[in-house]
Amino acid sequence: DTAVSQTPKYLVTQMGNDKSIKCEQNLGHDTMYWYKQDSKKFLKIMFSYNNKELIINETVPNRFSPKSPDKAHLNLHINSLELGDSAVYFCASSARPGAGGELFFGEGSRLTVL
Amino acid sequence: AQSVTQPDIHITVSEGASLELRCNYSYGATPYLFWYVQSPGQGLQLLLKYFSGDTLVQGIKGFEAEFKRSQSSFNLRKPSVHWSDAAEYFCAVGALNNNDMRFGAGTRLTVKP
Repeated sequence: DTAVSQTPKYLVTQMGNDKSIKCEQNLGHDTMYWYKQDSKKFLKIMFSYNNKELIINETVPNRFSPKSPDKAHLNLHINSLELGDSAVYFCASSARPGAGGELFFGEGSRLTVL
Repeated sequence: AQSVTQPDIHITVSEGASLELRCNYSYGATPYLFWYVQSPGQGLQLLLKYFSGDTLVQGIKGFEAEFKRSQSSFNLRKPSVHWSDAAEYFCAVGALNNNDMRFGAGTRLTVKP
């Protein structure tokens, strides 16, 4: 039973399109995150939600919009995709907001923009 | 904000040899420190963590790490590496008062037969 699941796992699309990635966790955690991993494996936090409330919003283009319908789900919508958006996007959750708690990661969603 | 440096981008060791991966952090208060491992095509998995107490922490898969406040380091060690340990390893630092976990750039481990 997967703890943090993301869909789709692979996404290939053209520049200018809009796409969404969904994330669900069944761990009962209050906090969820989106991380972006670039081609050099560098992991950068994008957003963090605590119980459906946006906590962290790093310097990310406003083409990226997270949505948390409930605390078990955090989706990422990307408008007007650009070549530089190609990356692996990881969803994660943690049980301990504000205390540097352990992160549980999904398997990632590899986005390729052509 | 906290930050992490992993000085080694790529390390190659022979199977059965010992391993040490370096991690240095920067944070003004007590850090929460983590090591994660990422196998190809997979998400990150926690190896071990340090919050407080004993500065030598044991993790899964035979890994351990030692927190040295004076050196701002949290190096990962394993006495005998197995071929299945080949992966990308990330050091991370969290803070008590925010949700922001910062990751190092990662160290890729190659294991020679």
